[in-house]
Amino acid sequence: GQSLEQPSEVTAVEGAIVQINCTYQTSGFYGLSWYQQHDGGAPTFLSYNALDGLEETGRFSSFLSRSDSYGYLLLQELQMKDSASYFCVLTGGGNKLTFGTGTQLKVEL
Amino acid sequence: DAGVTQSPTHLIKTRGQQVTLRCSPKSGHDTVSWYQQALGQGPQFIFQYYEEEERQRGNFPDRFSGHQFPNYSSELNVNALLLGDSALYLCASSFDPQETQYFGPGTRLLVL
Repeated sequence: GQSLEQPSEVTAVEGAIVQINCTYQTSGFYGLSWYQQHDGGAPTFLSYNALDGLEETGRFSSFLSRSDSYGYLLLQELQMKDSASYFCVLTGGGNKLTFGTGTQLKVEL
Repeated sequence: DAGVTQSPTHLIKTRGQQVTLRCSPKSGHDTVSWYQQALGQGPQFIFQYYEEEERQRGNFPDRFSGHQFPNYSSELNVNALLLGDSALYLCASSFDPQETQYFGPGTRLLVL
């Protein structure tokens, strides 16, 4: 099976930088994605790492290290609207998504 | 361009009843996947439909079944509802089974 672990909660100040870590166990996967979900809303795709290294999309960056079974999402210039849950997600065969436990990010003034 | 839509938005059922949830994929998308999200948890994969066939299935009992229509819309059926089936049911679509999935707003099911 597959499993992913994330911190349950992270708090940061508006304008700061925050990193959400993700460790996983799997026998095989195609890539690691990150999704954002506001309370009661739909998960929204943020980024995808198929290869090791850093991917940058605006204020968001995501990193993957297959040798360490580790990835992270980096959010810069935090805004209040970034307060949400963030999920790391393994993409398996047939594009089956396995979600992590989720990290609730609280952005404070 | 409409995104993924789901109906109904909320639903209340009692134990033992049956429920049907509906999903219309994003325009141009032909693949639909269903997920169950319990409160405080991440979404869990139920199954995926492509070309009107169930292509993959997660660890869910046969009480959970689905269908995909020629227009790519999909239904999720749950029989013999249990209290533990109370959750947010999410539908996601992609234009190919290998591409990025886009999620709908979900149907919140409460089983009493």
